[in-house]
Amino acid sequence: SAVISQKPSRDICQRGTSLTIQCQVDSQVTMMFWYRQQPGQSLTLIATANQGSEATYESGFVIDKFPISRPNLTFSTLTVSNMSPEDSSIYLCSVEVSDRGYGYTFGSGTRLTVV
Amino acid sequence: DQQVKQNSPSLSVQEGRISILNCDYTNSMFDYFLWYKKYPAEGPTFLISISSIKDKNEDGRFTVFLNKSAKHLSLHIVPSQPGDSAVYFCAASGLTGNTGKLIFGQGTTLQVKP
Repeated sequence: SAVISQKPSRDICQRGTSLTIQCQVDSQVTMMFWYRQQPGQSLTLIATANQGSEATYESGFVIDKFPISRPNLTFSTLTVSNMSPEDSSIYLCSVEVSDRGYGYTFGSGTRLTVV
Repeated sequence: DQQVKQNSPSLSVQEGRISILNCDYTNSMFDYFLWYKKYPAEGPTFLISISSIKDKNEDGRFTVFLNKSAKHLSLHIVPSQPGDSAVYFCAASGLTGNTGKLIFGQGTTLQVKP
């Protein structure tokens, strides 16, 4: 399966600022996914990022708040913009593998605290 | 609405015994189900999956059972080991053309006591 490097692993940010999270994969993948896990909650898909096209956002998530870049087949970034304490969560990227039966690989996550 | 539910927030078992983690879903259109294990400060790790055309899949100590009529799946770990202590998430996919969209349950924290 793919190996994902996600940075930063954690950060404490001031409200009103922005944080960009990076996700690097050791192999080329078509689709990359960004999830959020709010405290005590399950993981929720934010958006799907395909290389060469605009990211597709899930209901409740908008591009102005969570802009995503996907410049090539091994890299993506998620920016959390104009942060508020409600954005304090773990953010994770995920990539597909060749067969759904092998599941999807996740990065180690970015634990964001907004103060 | 919570389409995938894990109604037990926690489970404690003795080492060597069986751990049974349960998951219910509401939408019969899901066609793939997965279990993930998550340690603190790490991302979820894929454990095992099952297609909706099957009712059982086994991989070593882990077996997943699917009961489509009841919209219920379970993960059995036999024998349980202290290293299995983690949060377990079930997830489902297949509602849309985006097979990568996983809908997760809330998770069950498993503690295996030595």
